[in-house]
Amino acid sequence: GESVGLHLPTLSVQEGDNSIINCAYSNSASDYFIWYKQESGKGPQFIIDIRSNMDKRQGQRVTVLLNKTVKHLSLQIAATQPGDSAVYFCAEKGKGGSYIPTFGRGTSLIVHP
Amino acid sequence: SAVISQKPSRDICQRGTSLTIQCQVDSQVTMMFWYRQQPGQSLTLIATANQGSEATYESGFVIDKFPISRPNLTFSTLTVSNMSPEDSSIYLCSVEVAGRGYEQYFGPGTRLTVT
Repeated sequence: GESVGLHLPTLSVQEGDNSIINCAYSNSASDYFIWYKQESGKGPQFIIDIRSNMDKRQGQRVTVLLNKTVKHLSLQIAATQPGDSAVYFCAEKGKGGSYIPTFGRGTSLIVHP
Repeated sequence: SAVISQKPSRDICQRGTSLTIQCQVDSQVTMMFWYRQQPGQSLTLIATANQGSEATYESGFVIDKFPISRPNLTFSTLTVSNMSPEDSSIYLCSVEVAGRGYEQYFGPGTRLTVT
């Protein structure tokens, strides 16, 4: 079936570096994409979202880029901090009334001080 | 945002027993969901908890194994019945808040270990 997947299961960066977490999706009908952050022992936390009619959206220190041509989604974290260490999930919601997100595999981001 | 609490936060249970997990939200919400997350894995939707009617289950999940109640707009329970070690997982309650677009909020999860 359709799926959402991530290229890298683990990403290690130095504090202060910029981080880029990638996600590939296969459902071309998806019209809404979300990034979640899950810290150890906690539930996923909404970070940022983007609709399919946009290519880029910026938040505080985070930017999401959407490339519909290659069905690729990325999350960029600027000046990564130790508190950013977590597992990051991308998720998509499709058209046709599917309001329930499909979650990708997850990428573990490790920030070294 | 919505504040979601779950009880218990964790439990260790014997094979063949059942555990009921509670989810409480600090505001009325239309949509409530139950997810399962196995260690190191992504989230899998179990069912949508419908207020006043039977839950809607995803493929691979059945009511006899995972009965769900939702008596009002702020509370739901998930029961894991006749447990086996394969049911060891984190169970997460989630809500979608009306007026907040598609934003979905998650509870802290219940870590279940079945021995």
